[in-house]
Amino acid sequence: AQTVTQSQPEMSVQEAETVTLSCTYDTSENNYYLFWYKQPPSRQMILVIRQEAYKQQNATENRFSVNFQKAAKSFSLKISDSQLGDTAMYFCASIVRKGGKLIFGQGTELSVKP
Amino acid sequence: GAVVSQHPSRVICKSGTSVKIECRSLDFQATTMFWYRQFPKQSLMLMATSNEGSKATYEQGVEKDKFLINHASLTLSTLTVTSAHPEDSSFYICSAISGGVRSYNEQFFGPGTRLTVL
Repeated sequence: AQTVTQSQPEMSVQEAETVTLSCTYDTSENNYYLFWYKQPPSRQMILVIRQEAYKQQNATENRFSVNFQKAAKSFSLKISDSQLGDTAMYFCASIVRKGGKLIFGQGTELSVKP
Repeated sequence: GAVVSQHPSRVICKSGTSVKIECRSLDFQATTMFWYRQFPKQSLMLMATSNEGSKATYEQGVEKDKFLINHASLTLSTLTVTSAHPEDSSFYICSAISGGVRSYNEQFFGPGTRLTVL
């Protein structure tokens, strides 16, 4: 079975600083994708970053980057130069190539403080 | 990016009535749509997967007769909460993908519908 675990219910960071959100997962599949989604107060789900399991290179999107450790089944999100607009719930999620179901972690509520 | 809409954005209804929520893919054909339920400060819980022209596949513990899902066209799926009760009050989110579930396709999420049952 696929599982995704986020062990940090809440985190806070000062504006302009860097924060790392943790995520671990478990799957028996070889082909899968990992994601970080952002859900701001509007509650619209926004895809932040995506990582294909077969790619060793860590994905980056502007201020967002991941540390993908496949053997350890770890997939953390680093947010650099945090901005007030980064305040949101962040969900780690996984999907296997066959199946289509997104499996979400419990979420981490991030507050960026001025 | 692809756009998914939901209507209504929020609805208040009396206990015992039925409520229909629409999910539309605006600029692509969605062969598969997903319905999620989310309680405050919690994660998204998948309720069912709906494929155009066929019956929805419900997750374990989700009442099929309570939550009726119809995916009548490639751009529209509906969720009907029948005989709603206060415990059905929640935030309902749909997502859509193009292509089938046998390969990865990015899910595009709707803005959600807040249901309040009095």
